[in-house]
Amino acid sequence: DAGVIQSPRHEVTEMGQEVTLRCKPISGHNSLFWYRQTMMRGLELLIYFNNNVPIDDSGMPEDRFSAKMPNASFSTLKIQPSEPRDSAVYFCASSWGQGNTEAFFGQGTRLTVV
Amino acid sequence: KQEVTQIPAALSVPEGENLVLNCSFTDSAIYNLQWFRQDPGKGLTSLLLIQSSQREQTSGRLNASLDKSSGRSTLYIAASQPGDSATYLCAVSPLTGGGNKLTFGTGTQLKVEL
Repeated sequence: DAGVIQSPRHEVTEMGQEVTLRCKPISGHNSLFWYRQTMMRGLELLIYFNNNVPIDDSGMPEDRFSAKMPNASFSTLKIQPSEPRDSAVYFCASSWGQGNTEAFFGQGTRLTVV
Repeated sequence: KQEVTQIPAALSVPEGENLVLNCSFTDSAIYNLQWFRQDPGKGLTSLLLIQSSQREQTSGRLNASLDKSSGRSTLYIAASQPGDSATYLCAVSPLTGGGNKLTFGTGTQLKVEL
């Protein structure tokens, strides 16, 4: 398996534009997570899906952020409209089961909003 | 709310030295604890996962211990090498609430010098 695949790797956009980040989890994994990493706050969980259903979105910072998982092999994180403070590295991770297994991370998407 | 702290924040050692990285967490109701490695500009690589019922896990030159009651974990690296230079992150998942939702520490930035 190629691991968790995220695209794009880098994104530069202007303030106010819509940004869509994409993730393909490891085949067979039934849990998917979106994290954000910044210098100030470190790594924070944004949202967690289990069997394609959003279970916990308490980490989503604002209504400008939304995430979907239309099927077991694809998820998106959308920011609309984007703001400079959204600049961060966004990671997608996947795992199998309900908690006692390793989480595998993608390479991340570095988002810069200017 | 779970808080995870890692000490020291940065560490520089000569090659060949044995070293210990520390992780502490405030809520002992955890499902598991994972240690990750992050290279600059890259994603996270899982190093070791310790289940809450376990005391330690070993992989090659790495040994991680867990004392759940005191809220502490250590990562021991034997005979350090320049290739070990990276940021090391520990993360815990909650016992309740389902899923492998990870709360991360702020990391220890390790530099192993020739």
